[in-house]
Amino acid sequence: NAGVTQTPKFQVLKTGQSMTLQCAQDMNHEYMSWYRQDPGMGLRLIHYSVGAGITDQGEVPNGYNVSRSTTEDFPLRLLSAAPSQTSVYFCASRWGVETEAFFGQGTRLTVV
Amino acid sequence: AQSVAQPEDQVNVAEGNPLTVKCTYSVSGNPYLFWYVQYPNRGLQFLLKYITGDNLVKGSYGFEAEFNKSQTSFHLKKPSALVSDSALYFCAVRDIGGSQGNLIFGKGTKLSVKP
Repeated sequence: NAGVTQTPKFQVLKTGQSMTLQCAQDMNHEYMSWYRQDPGMGLRLIHYSVGAGITDQGEVPNGYNVSRSTTEDFPLRLLSAAPSQTSVYFCASRWGVETEAFFGQGTRLTVV
Repeated sequence: AQSVAQPEDQVNVAEGNPLTVKCTYSVSGNPYLFWYVQYPNRGLQFLLKYITGDNLVKGSYGFEAEFNKSQTSFHLKKPSALVSDSALYFCAVRDIGGSQGNLIFGKGTKLSVKP
């Protein structure tokens, strides 16, 4: 059981470039979400999904897009990278309201 | 709005001593509370949760947490700290009304256990 898998683990982008962070889970979880982690700020919610075809914005959605075409995959797209998007990105999935979330290993993104 | 506060950026403990990492919360309604641990360059690992029931919750690696409704606190505890417990600890509350149950995290507390 792989759990939540994120790729790539590390990425360096130039300002203005676009890219997609991949997230896949093999636990058949309906709920998936993307967080970014910045020093001293904890984790902040970017976008989330409650099932295939359904997505919504979190606390810090600007500059990011998501889609959920299958239960397993929830990619995060950076449309035009900015230095302010330098961060560590985590994908998470869970069954429901009372259950814990499972996190991927993270993607460390640097925008220069 | 629901929120979580971790008042200490860092906690230093000697190995073998008890440890406490503090967390307070603000929610409307009953809280769903969680603790996660993050080791360097790793993802977050679930430690324990409080949904309902006993106020003392036991979790992984010998950790436990005490839910105190009157003080709106959910402090993480361990009777005897290990050097390997050194990590970043996050308290979180479930955002029931807002983002469909996603977690709202505190800023994290770095635990350092010295031999």
